[in-house]
Amino acid sequence: QKEVEQDPGPLSVPEGAIVSLNCTYSNSAFQYFMWYRQYSRKGPELLMYTYSSGNKEDGRFTAQVDKSSKYISLFIRDSQPSDSATYLCASGGYSGGGADGLTFGKGTHLIIQP
Amino acid sequence: DTGVSQDPRHKITKRGQNVTFRCDPISEHNRLYWYRQTLGQGPEFLTYFQNEAQLEKSRLLSDRFSAERPKGSFSTLEIQRTEQGDSAMYLCASSLGLSPYEQYFGPGTRLTVT
Repeated sequence: QKEVEQDPGPLSVPEGAIVSLNCTYSNSAFQYFMWYRQYSRKGPELLMYTYSSGNKEDGRFTAQVDKSSKYISLFIRDSQPSDSATYLCASGGYSGGGADGLTFGKGTHLIIQP
Repeated sequence: DTGVSQDPRHKITKRGQNVTFRCDPISEHNRLYWYRQTLGQGPEFLTYFQNEAQLEKSRLLSDRFSAERPKGSFSTLEIQRTEQGDSAMYLCASSLGLSPYEQYFGPGTRLTVT
């Protein structure tokens, strides 16, 4: 079992819809949770960075962490075609990824249909 | 542009050749990370530096791989005697010591071994 699990998709939704992206993780040592957006053949771009449980909002993006269930979510409101990309969740903490290395999921490929 | 930069962006090499990649982190960041990403997978942690000291290596980093950060600024990643399985995107990221998991990635170097 990978330490961070993510459905690879693709997930296709119409423009303007609310998108829900999810990850689960297995390592209780993880304390930091990130969402990255990656366009094809580009480097990952940091979208959201959260510590421990709770919600964090930034514009159209909301990140949610539930440590009791080891569940990480990213919500995108008013989705745009430019949001079409692969979304990677990542966790940080002392784990097989190293003391300071991030452990990533495989990424979910999101398609926003105009 | 003050983000993370990587050079070259693309490299094609024949099996058995040596290759070297360079990463220039965000200027005030003292931590630098190398990751590898293959198609359909999330990035996998390879190694990281705090200033010039290499503090962590993943078991993925075979003895054919070596990384340096001689003056605590830019870093190089060398792969000796390349194999076809080394074909991947090599990503560099940097962070501040106070927020080690808030990592910002460069555009990556795409390596193809023929």
